[in-house]
Amino acid sequence: EDKVVQSPLSLVVHEGDTVTLNCSYEVTNFRSLLWYKQEKKAPTFLFMLTSSGIEKKSGRLSSILDKKELFSILNITATQTGDSAIYLCAVFTNAGKSTFGDGTTLTVKP
Amino acid sequence: SQTIHQWPATLVQPVGSPLSLECTVEGTSNPNLYWYRQAAGRGLQLLFYSIGIDQISSEVPQNLSASRPQDRQFILSSKKLLLSDSGFYLCAWSTGTGDTQYFGPGTRLTVL
Repeated sequence: EDKVVQSPLSLVVHEGDTVTLNCSYEVTNFRSLLWYKQEKKAPTFLFMLTSSGIEKKSGRLSSILDKKELFSILNITATQTGDSAIYLCAVFTNAGKSTFGDGTTLTVKP
Repeated sequence: SQTIHQWPATLVQPVGSPLSLECTVEGTSNPNLYWYRQAAGRGLQLLFYSIGIDQISSEVPQNLSASRPQDRQFILSSKKLLLSDSGFYLCAWSTGTGDTQYFGPGTRLTVL
């Protein structure tokens, strides 16, 4: 059975802190790993990773994949209160199936 | 540009009643379509996905069903709701060759 585990489950930091969110996976026929940010309602896409060692970056957010050790990290630098959200990791297989982790709830305090 | 619509936004239904949630996509053709359910504090559980009209795969056996009567329309149904069907239901689409999914606004279903 495909499995995606995110850690920590929740995290409280202060503005300006840097955070690292983790996602490990065990799937058959891995194709890609995606990160999403979910605030009040629908998740919004952040990154898609398919190759090991290549960092994807968007502003203060960055992510990298390690296909040998089967994990990915999402980094957020200089956090702001607007970064407070649930961050979801999902893995897709070659068959097009997706498996989501339970998410990390990030709270950034002013 | 592409947009995805879901309705209703919220729904309160009694146990044993039927369910129909609708999702439509605009601005793209032949999308892959997905139904997910999210329980409170949890990630997304894939319920159904479809790569074309009348081509639907079910991931979790349960009392829900899905249909895709048109290319850009995806419907989630139940004949008799259970308490455990409560949750946040999300529809999503992606292109046939990519995994980036775009989500609708979701339907919050409460079964009493």
